[in-house]
Amino acid sequence: SAVISQKPSRDICQRGTSLTIQCQVDSQVTMMFWYRQQPGQSLTLIATANQGSEATYESGFVIDKFPISRPNLTFSTLTVSNMSPEDSSIYLCSVGLADEQFFGPGTRLTVL
Amino acid sequence: GQSLEQPSEVTAVEGAIVQINCTYQTSGFYGLSWYQQHDGGAPTFLSYNALDGLEETGRFSSFLSRSDSYGYLLLQELQMKDSASYFCALNQAGTALIFGKGTTLSVSS
Repeated sequence: SAVISQKPSRDICQRGTSLTIQCQVDSQVTMMFWYRQQPGQSLTLIATANQGSEATYESGFVIDKFPISRPNLTFSTLTVSNMSPEDSSIYLCSVGLADEQFFGPGTRLTVL
Repeated sequence: GQSLEQPSEVTAVEGAIVQINCTYQTSGFYGLSWYQQHDGGAPTFLSYNALDGLEETGRFSSFLSRSDSYGYLLLQELQMKDSASYFCALNQAGTALIFGKGTTLSVSS
C-alpha cells in the first residue's frame, strides 16, 4: 500500500493568481498521477508525472496552465496557474501499485 | 475516445444485494476497476478485473465481459456504511485511470 499526503488541504484564492499543490508519498514510485474532481462529479485525469521527464498531459490540459514537477520518486507538485472560478475543484494526486491506485486526501480549491 | 456509462443513482435497503452496471467504449485497456468514495473522502480501491469473469472480495464481487464491453459491481449484505459513490474505471498504461461518472448508492434501514 501507499500513504499519500497533500498540502494544502484547502485554499481560497483570487482569480489570476497561482497555487502550487504538493504531494508526498511514503514510498518510491515510478509514476504519480494528478486528477481533478469538481463537486459532485467524477475524477478527470490531468497528467501523469514520471521522475526525470516531462509530465504527460491528457486532452484538454496543458503544461502552461498546470505545470508539474517531479524532482524525485516520492514527491510531486501541481501548479494551477492564472486561476479562474472554473478552476474551483478538488485536486487529487495518486500512485499506482500493481493494479491498484492509492489517492491522497485531495486539495479543495476555491477561486473567487 | 473512451467513455464509461453507469447509473447515476441506486437505492437499496440494509441486507439487500445491489448490482451496479458499467458499460464502456475504448480502443484498448488493461482492465476494469471499481472505486468507492464517501462524501469528502478520497477514492478507495474495491476490485479489479483484468480478465473476463468474476472476482470476489468479501461482500463485494466484480465481473467483466470484454466481448460485451460490460462489467458490474455486486454488493451483498448491504450495510449503511456502504452508502457512497461507486466509480468504474478503465485501467490504462502505467495504471492511469479513466473514470465513469459514478453511481451514488443510498442504503436505508
